[in-house]
Amino acid sequence: GQQLNQSPQSMFIQEGEDVSMNCTSSSIFNTWLWYKQEPGEGPVLLIALYKAGELTSNGRLTAQFGITRKDSFLNISASIPSDVGIYFCAGHSAGSWGKLQFGAGTQVVVTP
Amino acid sequence: NAGVTQTPKFQVLKTGQSMTLQCAQDMNHNSMYWYRQDPGMGLRLIYYSASEGTTDKGEVPNGYNVSRLNKREFSLRLESAAPSQTSVYFCASSERWSYNEQFFGPGTRLTVL
Repeated sequence: GQQLNQSPQSMFIQEGEDVSMNCTSSSIFNTWLWYKQEPGEGPVLLIALYKAGELTSNGRLTAQFGITRKDSFLNISASIPSDVGIYFCAGHSAGSWGKLQFGAGTQVVVTP
Repeated sequence: NAGVTQTPKFQVLKTGQSMTLQCAQDMNHNSMYWYRQDPGMGLRLIYYSASEGTTDKGEVPNGYNVSRLNKREFSLRLESAAPSQTSVYFCASSERWSYNEQFFGPGTRLTVL
C-alpha cells in the first residue's frame, strides 16, 4: 500500500529549539492527523485537520493542512525533553472508505 | 474510561502455533481496526470493522482472521503463526467509519520463533 512521504526521518535537537516536520502525498486528502508514539506505547492523537489551509494548535504544537491538500506540517515550539518520541502523520483521501494512510514517522530526540 | 485495551501485552509463539489477540473499547465507537507496525514503517491496516457485524480486509490481511464479537470487542487470530508475523499489533477504534479520528490501544508485541 502507498505510504505518505514523511520527513525528516529523525531529528536531534537541543531543548528549547523549534521542530518542523512535514508529510506529502500524491493524492488529495480531506483529512490530516498527527500522532505521537512513545516507546512501548500506542500512537496518541495530537491534532486533526479537516479543511485546506486550516491551522490548528494544541499547546506548543501547531499543524497545518496544506492548501494543495497534498501536504501537512507539524511544528513543535520550544521543545522540552518530554517531546521525545516518534511523530506520525496520517491522511484520509476521498473514496478510501475511512482507511488512513500513515507516514513512516519522524523520530525526535531532545537533548538538554 | 480505559479507552482501547489490548491483551496480551507480550507473546512469544513457535512457528505454526495459533493465538488470538483481544481488543476492547469502552468509547461506544462503531468502527474498529487492526494494524501491524514494523521497524521503520508506518502502520499497516490488517482488517477493519466499519460497524458491528461487518469486517473487511485491509492492506495486509494474509495469515489473519478477525471477529467482531460485539460492539466493544474485535479480535485478531493467527491460525498458523510465521516468523514474518513478528510485529507489534495495534487495535484502534473510531466513532464511525466516516469519522477519521482513530484512537489506539497500547499494542501487543508478538515474536514468532
